[in-house]
This record gives sequence, structure tokens and C-alpha cells, in this order.
Amino acid sequence: QQQVKQSPQSLIVQKGGISIINCAYENTAFDYFPWYQQFPGKGPALLIAIRPDVSEKKEGRFTISFNKSAKQFSLHIMDSQPGDSATYFCAASKGTDKLIFGTGTRLQVFP
Amino acid sequence: ETGVTQTPRHLVMGMTNKKSLKCEQHLGHNAMYWYKQSAKKPLELMFVYNFKEQTENNSVPSRFSPECPNSSHLFLHLHTLQPEDSALYLCASSQGGAGNEKLFFGSGTQLSVL
Repeated sequence: QQQVKQSPQSLIVQKGGISIINCAYENTAFDYFPWYQQFPGKGPALLIAIRPDVSEKKEGRFTISFNKSAKQFSLHIMDSQPGDSATYFCAASKGTDKLIFGTGTRLQVFP
Repeated sequence: ETGVTQTPRHLVMGMTNKKSLKCEQHLGHNAMYWYKQSAKKPLELMFVYNFKEQTENNSVPSRFSPECPNSSHLFLHLHTLQPEDSALYLCASSQGGAGNEKLFFGSGTQLSVL
């Protein structure tokens, strides 16, 4: 019940296309859902986060869509660029409990 | 630059060696973490320190020994490791240690155990 299941494991997208990464969770008490971005040779960095009181949050080309009833949330990258090539991790937490991370999605954007 | 510095960047050690990983944060945070990152697995939380006190140990084998002398420095002492311990070890910090806070990660130490 503490797991966060992430898919796909890897994703290849053409430049200018839309990248979509999905995460599912079981624990309905989770109330914080961040996405972290990790470039090769670097640690993960917070990209965008959402709380369950909204269904969507947008920051530039990055959007989180949240479906509370389905217990799913997804990251959409519009107009994907080669510079977006990285590994993306979803995560979830409940209150002050520590984050539970997904297994990661390796995104490659080709020109 | 995230404000969290880890050394060394790479480490190769034999199973009988003793080595230490170092982490330093320049962000004025009160919580520091060690995570283990292995391919195709979720980031695994190993240890958490809040105000220099260990608040979490996620059933980590005793061959990993953390030390937090002050709120800016964190060490991970390694002793008689196994090949399956080869992974990227990430240090992170946050303001107060709550799960809904932004984590600031270092670039990690890539550890290979031969």
C-alpha cells in the first residue's frame, strides 16, 4: 500500500512531441505528489509538485494531472526538447512522513 | 549547484576495505538524508537526521554506519560491503525533515564493490 508504481520504464519522444509519464498509488492518505528530474551525473531535483485539492498544475511546459478517484497522477511535457532528456521520478507522501519514490522513467528526446 | 556537495564522486572498494562518504550542505537546513539509488528500483531511504539526531533507519545493514557531527555535515562509513551494495549513494537535505518539503540532492557517490 506504500508503493508508487511508475510507467513506462523508458520513453523515446521526437522533439516537439508530448511526453507522458504515469504514476499510480494505493494509499489514499497521500497528500503530496512531487516529480523529480535527474540528469546524468547529477542528483534528482524537484521539478513540480501537486496536492490533491487541485486536478492540474502547470509550470511552463510541464503539467501534472491528478486523478484522485483513480489514484493516479501523470507528468506531461509539452513541446519536448532534447534538453528534457533525463530520468523522471514521481513520489508521494502523507503528512510529515518521508517520500515514497517510483522506479523512474528514462526519457530520451531526439531531434 | 544545489548547495549539497558529496565526495568522492566515484569509489571502488574491496569487500574488506573501510571507506567513508562525505556530504556537506550550505543551505542552512536542519534535516539530512542518505538514499541508495539502484537501477530500476525506487530511491531507497537509508537514514534521516534531524538537528543532528538520527530519526530514521530503514533496516539498513550494520555495515553502513552514518554519522552527523553537525547539521551541515553527514558521513556514511562503509565496512565489509558486499557486491550488491554497488549503487549510487545520494545525500539530500531539507528544511525541517517533513515528507512534503523540497529535497535538495547532491550529485552522489557512485560506489563499486569488488
